[in-house]
Amino acid sequence: DVKVTQSSRYLVKRTGEKVFLECVQDMDHENMFWYRQDPGLGLRLIYFSYDVKMKEKGDIPEGYSVSREKKERFSLILESASTNQTSMYLCASISASAGLNTEAFFGQGTRLTVV
Amino acid sequence: GDSVTQMEGPVTLSEEAFLTINCTYTATGYPSLFWYVQYPGEGLQLLLKATKADDKGSNKGFEATYRKETTSFHLEKGSVQVSDSAVYFCALSLNTGGFKTIFGAGTRLFVKA
Repeated sequence: DVKVTQSSRYLVKRTGEKVFLECVQDMDHENMFWYRQDPGLGLRLIYFSYDVKMKEKGDIPEGYSVSREKKERFSLILESASTNQTSMYLCASISASAGLNTEAFFGQGTRLTVV
Repeated sequence: GDSVTQMEGPVTLSEEAFLTINCTYTATGYPSLFWYVQYPGEGLQLLLKATKADDKGSNKGFEATYRKETTSFHLEKGSVQVSDSAVYFCALSLNTGGFKTIFGAGTRLFVKA
């Protein structure tokens, strides 16, 4: 069974803390993504990565950074957490070799609360 | 730019009612189209997909047909169940050097017994 695993289901952090959200996939996928999900706004792309050590900004990268040191792991970093970063964070991966069959596989989500 | 627009929710139906959730898209290339479902407390999972015009995706009684002429991919089910209560996302995927997926805002469905 294919799997995308996010390190935490729930996190509570204080304003100003540095926060790491980890995502690991076991499908040898090249492409990995971080989204945030907010009511009424759907999924918004924060950052994505097409390969190890590569990263691209998505639609809302401000206040975030990412790290992809290994193919299977894609980390989202909140350099200095703020209350407006309270959200559900979803990691996804897609195979580059699947052609048009480009289904995204999602982790279970991390609900982050910044107080 | 590339985008997906789907009908706003929430949609509330009685069990065994007919469901339609509208979805239209704008894309510069020739996308693949998807419907994803998110059950309470979970991540998204693929419900169905279509990769070319006139393809029909189907799964668990849900269907959607890729209509290139109207740039639409409406989700339908003939008889909904309480267990179908979830958030449904329409999405497109494009090859832009890597594969990028763009999601609609999501439509929450409540099914009453």
